[in-house]
Amino acid sequence: DAKTTQPPSMDCAEGRAANLPCNHSTISGNEYVYWYRQIHSQGPQYIIHGLKNNETNEMASLIITEDRKSSTLILPHATLRDTAVYYCIVRVAAAGNKLTFGGGTRVLVKP
Amino acid sequence: DARVTQTPRHKVTEMGQEVTMRCQPILGHNTVFWYRQTMMQGLELLAYFRNRAPLDDSGMPKDRFSAEMPDATLATLKIQPSEPRDSAVYFCASGGSGQYNSPLHFGNGTRLTVT
Repeated sequence: DAKTTQPPSMDCAEGRAANLPCNHSTISGNEYVYWYRQIHSQGPQYIIHGLKNNETNEMASLIITEDRKSSTLILPHATLRDTAVYYCIVRVAAAGNKLTFGGGTRVLVKP
Repeated sequence: DARVTQTPRHKVTEMGQEVTMRCQPILGHNTVFWYRQTMMQGLELLAYFRNRAPLDDSGMPKDRFSAEMPDATLATLKIQPSEPRDSAVYFCASGGSGQYNSPLHFGNGTRLTVT
């Protein structure tokens, strides 16, 4: 699986949009971009994934650049409960394939 | 909401004792993964199964760790004998079979402390 690069930490103001960047410059054509987050003392939680089109769900939006070398996860209105470590992962599209976690971005939402 | 269930949530044991962790995957999911998380190493994949058959256990110390799926509703991870360096949080995750890009869903882990 391709490696990803994320900033180790970032702060965000409550109520504002949080934009989390991820670089995956060596991504292959058959690799999806996944985002997970881990809130303290819980298991990783799936947020969203995409291949090349932008995606949106009730939790977040995923913007993937046209060359697919980077992406941004957007939390539209951050709340204190969004404080967590966010992981950007690229994963080969194969049945039952594994996820390989990096260090992630530690996001602190401040009042 | 369907969820992955792990038991026990916490386990404290003495070095040398056997430890068994259990996982109930989401009903209908056919892939099961075991991960370990420590401060130093982060989240590491230990082993995973598809249709109850082990696909890859290269991340697991073979001499003391074993992972099995006795049936489709139960996965187990055993450590025998346990050592202090095994202290970590162990996560189980399951994934669906319908689509090759279906996300994995994680349980809330078993926090193991070996003294």
